[in-house]
Amino acid sequence: GEDVEQSLFLSVREGDSSVINCTYTDSSSTYLYWYKQEPGAGLQLLTYIFSNMDMKQDQRLTVLLNKKDKHLSLRIADTQTGDSAIYFCAEIGSGGYQKVTFGTGTKLQVIP
Amino acid sequence: ETGVTQSPTHLIKTRGQQVTLRCSSQSGHNTVSWYQQALGQGPQFIFQYYREEENGRGNFPPRFSGLQFPNYSSELNVNALELDDSALYLCASSLMGQGAPYEQYFGPGTRLTVT
Repeated sequence: GEDVEQSLFLSVREGDSSVINCTYTDSSSTYLYWYKQEPGAGLQLLTYIFSNMDMKQDQRLTVLLNKKDKHLSLRIADTQTGDSAIYFCAEIGSGGYQKVTFGTGTKLQVIP
Repeated sequence: ETGVTQSPTHLIKTRGQQVTLRCSSQSGHNTVSWYQQALGQGPQFIFQYYREEENGRGNFPPRFSGLQFPNYSSELNVNALELDDSALYLCASSLMGQGAPYEQYFGPGTRLTVT
């Protein structure tokens, strides 16, 4: 079945870049997503990438996809304290319904 | 703000009881998915409804059931509650049938505690 893995924790200083990594197993993944979850809140869709793309940039966010290694990363430039949250990588396969499989989440701590 | 609302915000139930959670989809969306998020975990897919029909299901037992109404609002029902059902329940609405990409918009969740 599908599996999505992430490291649990990342700590960076304000102003530095953050890189959050994710690996997945489903070779039929069509879209891969990054979601942000702040304490006590639901999930906010940050960005997504189609599986035939290598890179996508969206303001401070850069997504890199290595489909051969099934590796996805999210780079946040000029990380701010407001970026402190849990970040989830997720993928959707090519099945008949739109099931999204989430990773375990990476907690990003931004130190002022 | 995603426009997806859920009620109630918090709920405490006793083992063996039944619970109904509600979700109001974003305007114009025709699909709702429900997820269970245990503490410290990522959301786990429960099931999805498209145009009032169940469109897919994750590894959850039949005591987890749902409904989608003509106005695309939805309910999640859980019977015979167990302690392990304690979690944050998230609903997500989306528009299927309009091509890529598939974007889900999440509500704030309902925190269920089973004692």
